[in-house]
Amino acid sequence: AQTVTQSQPEMSVQEAETVTLSCTYDTSENNYYLFWYKQPPSRQMILVIRQEAYKQQNATENRFSVNFQKAAKSFSLKISDSQLGDTAMYFCAFISYSGGGADGLTFGKGTHLIIQP
Amino acid sequence: ETGVTQSPTHLIKTRGQQVTLRCSSQSGHNTVSWYQQALGQGPQFIFQYYREEENGRGNFPPRFSGLQFPNYSSELNVNALELDDSALYLCASSYTGTGGFNEQYFGPGTRLTVT
Repeated sequence: AQTVTQSQPEMSVQEAETVTLSCTYDTSENNYYLFWYKQPPSRQMILVIRQEAYKQQNATENRFSVNFQKAAKSFSLKISDSQLGDTAMYFCAFISYSGGGADGLTFGKGTHLIIQP
Repeated sequence: ETGVTQSPTHLIKTRGQQVTLRCSSQSGHNTVSWYQQALGQGPQFIFQYYREEENGRGNFPPRFSGLQFPNYSSELNVNALELDDSALYLCASSYTGTGGFNEQYFGPGTRLTVT
């Protein structure tokens, strides 16, 4: 079974600062994807960024980038130039494609990120 | 916003009752996954439906069941409700076809409270 661990229950930074959220995972699979989701108070889960395990290059989406260390099973999210609208719960998630994706996403417990004005 | 909708938004039920939650998938999607998110926790996978059949299941008892309809919308049914079933229930739709990556688009969720 896969597990996803987020060791930071809450983080708080000033607006415009850079923040890094940590995530580690455990799996014996070789073909999988990793994701960071954002869940604002509106509850809608929004995909922030994804990483295919077979790609060595770290994914980047505007102000969001990841540091994917496959051997260490580490997948951290860096948010640059943080904005007030980035305040939300952030979840790291994993899915294996050996079963065609039918196993569903495995989520961590989340990190509550607060951006202070 | 995604094109995934869920109803109702909120629901209060009594222990022992049965509940049905509904999800309309995004246009063009043929797969629906359901997740339970307890307060302060990450979502947990309940099951997935593809072509009107259960395609995968997480660690949930049989009193959690579902349906998928020809239009790909879906229902989650929970029988004999327990207090621990109080949670946010999230539905996610995706397209299953050839190729490896099927992004899941989430709905806004249904908040179920069991008293």
